[in-house]
Amino acid sequence: GNSVTQMEGPVTLSEEAFLTINCTYTATGYPSLFWYVQYPGEGLQLLLKATKADDKGSNKGFEATYRKETTSFHLEKGSVQVSDSAVYFCALGTGSGNTGKLIFGQGTTLQVKP
Amino acid sequence: GAVVSQHPSWVICKSGTSVKIECRSLDFQATTMFWYRQFPKQSLMLMATSNEGSKATYEQGVEKDKFLINHASLTLSTLTVTSAHPEDSSFYICSEGKSTDTQYFGPGTRLTVL
Repeated sequence: GNSVTQMEGPVTLSEEAFLTINCTYTATGYPSLFWYVQYPGEGLQLLLKATKADDKGSNKGFEATYRKETTSFHLEKGSVQVSDSAVYFCALGTGSGNTGKLIFGQGTTLQVKP
Repeated sequence: GAVVSQHPSWVICKSGTSVKIECRSLDFQATTMFWYRQFPKQSLMLMATSNEGSKATYEQGVEKDKFLINHASLTLSTLTVTSAHPEDSSFYICSEGKSTDTQYFGPGTRLTVL
């Protein structure tokens, strides 16, 4: 079946450090891949997405590349800020015709210290 | 993007009672809403798809008589946990949107059943 696996957290970094959060997936067909972010007290927000192999999604300095050969969608940022502290979820979109179903990884908490 | 609210944000109830959780779309008419459940340090699991004016579609393994979903209007979907037990304690999150890349999430409701 379809599934998403993320690296366990929490991840604690100093400001301006390089961030990588690993995400791998198992899926039939050609899913779309997403990264969502949840700031404290808020709902999940779409951070970036990629809809086909080799696509790179990017937003707010974050980026992730859809790697079909390694079934991965790792999230990276070159220089994190304290304001990036949040929980990050990797997800894949399943179903045909945009049924809206999302399968999530377990989430990775990022803590950035000044 | 659209704004989704949930009420209450936190509820404690006694075992055997029923609890209703509301999910409101504040600036968007949502024909489709989704209900997710999240256990601590685990991923969000889709419970059901709520369609305005029709019956909800439940995921495999989710008891429809246990988790009653009503989507009576374009701005409100409710999830009622009937005869709640401690194992129903969890974080419940709703989202709205038809396609995987246009989903907007509520902030979640934490249910604790004593």
